[in-house]
Amino acid sequence: AQKVTQAQTEISVVEKEDVTLDCVYETRDTTYYLFWYKQPPSGELVFLIRRNSFDEQNEISGRYSWNFQKSTSSFNFTITASQVVDSAVYFCALRKGYGGATNKLIFGTGTLLAVQP
Amino acid sequence: SQTIHQWPATLVQPVGSPLSLECTVEGTSNPNLYWYRQAAGRGLQLLFYSVGIGQISSEVPQNLSASRPQDRQFILSSKKLLLSDSGFYLCAWSVGVGPNEKLFFGSGTQLSVL
Repeated sequence: AQKVTQAQTEISVVEKEDVTLDCVYETRDTTYYLFWYKQPPSGELVFLIRRNSFDEQNEISGRYSWNFQKSTSSFNFTITASQVVDSAVYFCALRKGYGGATNKLIFGTGTLLAVQP
Repeated sequence: SQTIHQWPATLVQPVGSPLSLECTVEGTSNPNLYWYRQAAGRGLQLLFYSVGIGQISSEVPQNLSASRPQDRQFILSSKKLLLSDSGFYLCAWSVGVGPNEKLFFGSGTQLSVL
């Protein structure tokens, strides 16, 4: 069975602090994709990143970075020098296979990040 | 560019009343369409997905149904709402297959059943 666990329900940091959001996944598939989405207070989910199971290179995009570790089945997300605009719920998600509607996203329960000024 | 419209943004309905939430996608053809629900304090749960007109797959048994009368229109319905139907409903779309496929979400509908 596939499962995504985001153990951190809520995190509160002060602006400019670094923060890491944890994501642990379970799957028996050898080919799968991992995602992070941001849900700001407006409600719409914003795509942040997709990583496939064959690419363990870490990725950096501005203040965002992702650490994919197959050995521990984790796909953690770090925000460096956090800003108030980073406040949102962040979802980690897992999808097996090569796409198509039958390969559905399995979401974690999300982590609410509150960045205080 | 592609856009996805979802309405209404908020809805308050009494128990036992019908429901109709609409989602349309512009700027693309033959998209895969999805309905997700986010209950309070919980993650997103896939309710329905559709790969084409009239083709609906249900993920979980429930009080809801979905229809796709046109290529870029996806409707979520209920004949009689239950209290447990309250939640935040998100429509999403994707195109194509393979590693470049991504899911794009609408702005959501907050449904409160009282």
